[in-house]
Amino acid sequence: RKEVEQDPGPFNVPEGATVAFNCTYSNSASQSFFWYRQDCRKEPKLLMSVYSSGNEDGRFTAQLNRASQYISLLIRDSKLSDSATYLCVVNPNSGYSTLTFGKGTMLLVSP
Amino acid sequence: DGGITQSPKYLFRKEGQNVTLSCEQNLNHDAMYWYRQDPGQGLRLIYYSQIVNDFQKGDIAEGYSVSREKKESFPLTVTSAQKNPTAFYLCASATKAGGYNEQFFGPGTRLTVL
Repeated sequence: RKEVEQDPGPFNVPEGATVAFNCTYSNSASQSFFWYRQDCRKEPKLLMSVYSSGNEDGRFTAQLNRASQYISLLIRDSKLSDSATYLCVVNPNSGYSTLTFGKGTMLLVSP
Repeated sequence: DGGITQSPKYLFRKEGQNVTLSCEQNLNHDAMYWYRQDPGQGLRLIYYSQIVNDFQKGDIAEGYSVSREKKESFPLTVTSAQKNPTAFYLCASATKAGGYNEQFFGPGTRLTVL
């Protein structure tokens, strides 16, 4: 089983739609979880950190399910500018300094 | 403005040549990282450093070398021993206080071997 697995997409949605991505991770001891956003041919940028059961930031909600070992990202009221690849990132070891990146899920929001 | 800079943005190299990619940060971050990204692939860790004059191999260190003589700088050399060097190279940094968890990336260098 891959360490961090994501559906590559693309997810094609109209403006205003709600879309959700899931990410599964293999190491049950993982402590920290993140969603990064990467625009085409650009660097990844931190979107949200998920440290407990979940958190919300405006139109974005991230949730963590430790029992099932998955993280989700929900985007409400999608904007054209939300079109990007969303990377699921996991710290597989408590206190360790390297992160494991998923390959990303591509989102395309159309007018 | 605080941030991470990488240079050059695009780099072309002939086979058999070594090339050095620059990464500088003025965020006072303790740790710095080098990743490689290939089309359709996730980021793969090449090398990382948590303190000056110390660095560790990542998952794909073969054919690469690094140095960390200053806290602000973490250059990556792609040697002729790297078999498939054409890729997008990303440098990142993080703070010890943050558990090294939240990494901030530079704009990247696209290396093409001709």
